[in-house]
Formats: sequence, C-alpha cells, structure tokens
Amino acid sequence: SQQGEEDPQALSIQEGENATMNCSYKTSINNLQWYRQNSGRGLVHLILIRSNEREKHSGRLRVTLDTSKKSSSLLITASRAADTASYFCATDEAGNMLTFGGGTRLMVKP
Amino acid sequence: DAGVIQSPRHEVTEMGQEVTLRCKPISGHDYLFWYRQTMMRGLELLIYFNNNVPIDDSGMPEDRFSAKMPNASFSTLKIQPSEPRDSAVYFCASSSRGSSVEAFFGQGTRLTVV
Repeated sequence: SQQGEEDPQALSIQEGENATMNCSYKTSINNLQWYRQNSGRGLVHLILIRSNEREKHSGRLRVTLDTSKKSSSLLITASRAADTASYFCATDEAGNMLTFGGGTRLMVKP
Repeated sequence: DAGVIQSPRHEVTEMGQEVTLRCKPISGHDYLFWYRQTMMRGLELLIYFNNNVPIDDSGMPEDRFSAKMPNASFSTLKIQPSEPRDSAVYFCASSSRGSSVEAFFGQGTRLTVV
C-alpha cells in the first residue's frame, strides 16, 4: 500500500525555474527519502532526511520535513531539462521496508 | 560493485505460463525487496528478505506469486500461472540496513502477459 502521497501529480516548468513537490504521510516515521525515476529506468536515491531534521540540502536539492504536519517538500532549484523525471517520496512508516507514494511527474522544458 | 542486477529486462509470455524473475543484490546488503510498479497502483512492495529470510510477504497478491532467496547473492520471484493483470515492471532493491538507509534499485523487469 502507498503511504506517502505526492502533490502535484504532474508539474511542467521552464528550464531555470524552481520545482517544488510535496509529500504527505500518515503515521510516525524515522526518516523520509526522495527518489527519482527516469523513464524506463529504476529508482535512484536522492536524499534522506531523518525525523529530527528539518531541512537538508544536496546540490540543487532542498528537502524540508515537518513532522507536526506529516509532510515534506522537495525543491529543485534552477531546473534543467535533465531533471525531467518522476519523483517519489518514501517513508519507513511500515517498519523496515520503504513504502512509496504515487510520485510527481516533472517535465522541464528547454 | 555493478549495482543490483535484474534479469531478464523484458519478458513477454502467454497467459498460464510460469515466469521467473531474477535478482542479484549488492554484495554485503542484508535486505532485499521486490516491488511491482503499474500505472494504476504505483509502486507496491511485494515481499522483503532480511539475511535471506522472508520477513513480510503481505504484499504478495496471490498464491500464484512466490519468492525465494536461497543465498545472499540471489533471489527469484516466480509467477505461476501468469495472468494478463500481472503485466507490470518488477523491481528488486537492496539495502544494508532496511529502511533506515538508502535502497538501491535494479533496472527492473518489464513483464507483459498476453
């Protein structure tokens, strides 16, 4: 079953703009992860944020976590055409296994 | 390490046939996960293993699905008999410490049952 839910389901922006995707989950977590999936490929880990962290950065990626609202956001700054992909959040709500949301399909137009 | 290796990459089979999907996890990873991805249902966890032992198979849709991990470097997911609704992309992933660290995914097996 899917625990995390991403919003929006699809996002189309111009190259150079910022892209923000949101994720909500239902119960308590120890960590939340974001993954990227290019068309026809496997998922690639982007960033992990633990429940005692509020914000984390990795290159052009910024992730925030609000445990009181059970939500997280992924911000991609200065987007590039190569960022076109689906982005998923995943939580450890169910224990030792990751449960994934439905994903956000991001299209970055050159 | 070459990463998680899945085979075959594509499989087309007729309804009623047996299908076996294979996975080689990253060496040293104690956790192995099988996921199924469809447009309708997204990414679903089917089963996961810890130290070659199945821990949670509650996501396995029916008795037609079975998974084994005979050793630390090999796992199979078998569907017998296969049905058209089993058509999906099946992913194998491994991690060193369950869900507390990143998981590494294989490239997936695209299964089409006709």
